[in-house]
Amino acid sequence: GENVEQHPSTLSVQEGDSAVIKCTYSDSASNYFPWYKQELGKGPQLIIDIRSNVGEKKDQRIAVTLNKTAKHFSLHITETQPEDSAVYFCAANQAGTALIFGKGTTLSVSS
Amino acid sequence: GAVVSQHPSRVICKSGTSVKIECRSLDFQATTMFWYRQFPKQSLMLMATSNEGSKATYEQGVEKDKFLINHASLTLSTLTVTSAHPEDSSFYICSANEETLGGYTFGSGTRLTVV
Repeated sequence: GENVEQHPSTLSVQEGDSAVIKCTYSDSASNYFPWYKQELGKGPQLIIDIRSNVGEKKDQRIAVTLNKTAKHFSLHITETQPEDSAVYFCAANQAGTALIFGKGTTLSVSS
Repeated sequence: GAVVSQHPSRVICKSGTSVKIECRSLDFQATTMFWYRQFPKQSLMLMATSNEGSKATYEQGVEKDKFLINHASLTLSTLTVTSAHPEDSSFYICSANEETLGGYTFGSGTRLTVV
């Protein structure tokens, strides 16, 4: 089955800096790669996703890149703000099956 | 957008009792829903896949007789934790796949505390 590795486990940045979180996956059949933000005591919220037919996707300050050959994908947050502080999870799957999550990255943005 | 409503948000129960958690897709039909468990400072671990009108598929190590899943309609899946013990205390989260949009929506989670 799918296995997703996520790094780093914690990330501290200054407000305005960029943050990058990286994930690798094991199943070459996976074709959907979402990123979720989870705040304490709440369910995960989708912030961006990418499918295997695309190499990069951007939504304002957030971007995701995908390298299918290397089986890794990354989340990029630019101009970080204190409200970006949360736990971020990457996930991977084939369409219609359950998402398999990475272990999460705790992002702290200090002002 | 697609909304998944999960209830209750918090529940405290005595050891040995059963607790039911509901997960509803409000504005779409979900033939498949997924149940996850999340321990503090850990990731979401898939427990089972719930299929409307058929038996759930459980992940290895998850006791199907302890975690009963019912998916009787296209908008409702329930997870019942039977004979709960303190080690079952966790954050339980459901998810549904909104096929037309292609995304996965998560409920707000249920914090279960067994005392």
